[in-house]
Amino acid sequence: GNSVTQMEGPVTLSEEAFLTINCTYTATGYPSLFWYVQYPGEGLQLLLKATKADDKGSNKGFEATYRKETTSFHLEKGSVQVSDSAVYFCAGGSQGNLIFGKGTKLSVKP
Amino acid sequence: GAGVSQSPSNKVTEKGKDVELRCDPISGHTALYWYRQSLGQGLEFLIYFQGNSAPDKSGLPSDRFSAERTGGSVSTLTIQRTQQEDSAVYLCASSPLAGGRNEQFFGPGTRLTVL
Repeated sequence: GNSVTQMEGPVTLSEEAFLTINCTYTATGYPSLFWYVQYPGEGLQLLLKATKADDKGSNKGFEATYRKETTSFHLEKGSVQVSDSAVYFCAGGSQGNLIFGKGTKLSVKP
Repeated sequence: GAGVSQSPSNKVTEKGKDVELRCDPISGHTALYWYRQSLGQGLEFLIYFQGNSAPDKSGLPSDRFSAERTGGSVSTLTIQRTQQEDSAVYLCASSPLAGGRNEQFFGPGTRLTVL
């Protein structure tokens, strides 16, 4: 069946460090891929998405590219800020519901 | 505009009691989803409503769980004879279009604690 696997956390970085959170998916066909973010005390919100191979989603300095050949959608940011501290969820979907990874908690220290 | 709302925000109940959790989706959204988020786990899909079609109940963990969506809008998730393992945050999401390719908008969740 379909599945999404993302790197386990927690991840702790210093401010201005480079961030990568790996995500790979297994699916029939080519799903749309998403990164959702959950800030402390808040609900999940969409960070970025890509709907087909080679698409790049970007928002708030974060980027992820839909790589069909490696079935990956890794999240990257060149310079993280304390305000980026949150839990990040990779998700994929085609028909029906979204399949979510287990989440990666990111803590950014000043 | 108003986002997805859920009530109550917190619910503490005793083992064996029934609970009802409510979700008000964004007006006009045809699809509505329920997920469960347990401590340290990702989001577990429970049930999915799409317009007037029969719901996809494939994620419900047991027959103690049920949900309905009245008039294509408000949804209620009912857990009968609650167990301690039911303790989790229950999230509702809605989407303007059906299917997993579309962005889902999440509510703040209901934190359920079963004593």
